[in-house]
Amino acid sequence: EVHLVESGGGLVKPGGSLRLSCAASGFTFSTYSMDWVRQAPGKGLEWVSSISRTSLYIYQADSLEGRFTVSRDNAKNSLYLQMNSLRVEDTAIYYCARWSSSSGSFHYWGQGTLVTVSS
Amino acid sequence: NFMLTQPHSVSESPGKTVTISCTRSSGSIASNYVQWYQQRPGSSPTTVIYEDNQRPSGVPDRFSGSIDSSSNSASLTISGLKAEDEADYYCQSYDTNNRVFGGGTKLTVL
Repeated sequence: EVHLVESGGGLVKPGGSLRLSCAASGFTFSTYSMDWVRQAPGKGLEWVSSISRTSLYIYQADSLEGRFTVSRDNAKNSLYLQMNSLRVEDTAIYYCARWSSSSGSFHYWGQGTLVTVSS
Repeated sequence: NFMLTQPHSVSESPGKTVTISCTRSSGSIASNYVQWYQQRPGSSPTTVIYEDNQRPSGVPDRFSGSIDSSSNSASLTISGLKAEDEADYYCQSYDTNNRVFGGGTKLTVL
């Protein structure tokens, strides 16, 4: 069974940094692209970033202005999101999700980790 | 980049049929698959339709999806509405460098 478990969320001050992790199990991690999707309180889903199987291709939402960096460690079955220069508007639940290249869809999601940016 | 536009909310009575639309702003709706996700309060999204009209195992056949090139939109139709269908629904598509979500539609089963 596929499991995605995010961790690393918490309270951080504006301008601070945080690193999220996503531990994957139940599938061959190295054969799937992975994504981060976030959801601000009471708002809709917003795609954040994606990384291909070998980290060759990395894409990010333009709205992030390059402040976030996605990475992965296939040996550890783990996905990461380094978030710098955090803003109040980055407050959200951050989900990791497995991308299906054949269908262009997210079939598996983690439970999410809450990031709160506040002074 | 394109956008996907959904109605903010829809409501219908139990047993009835409701349709939620998702309109693509630029480029053809048929050029990339459309997915639909259901999200109940406090839970992660789950897929109810993928590849325009395919249902994952476990999703009842009351859920169906379609695309209409004339209106450049996708639709999620839920028939025989049940109280448990009350949730937020999101459409999603993609292009080479982006994944795009619609703004979400809150379905209320009256």
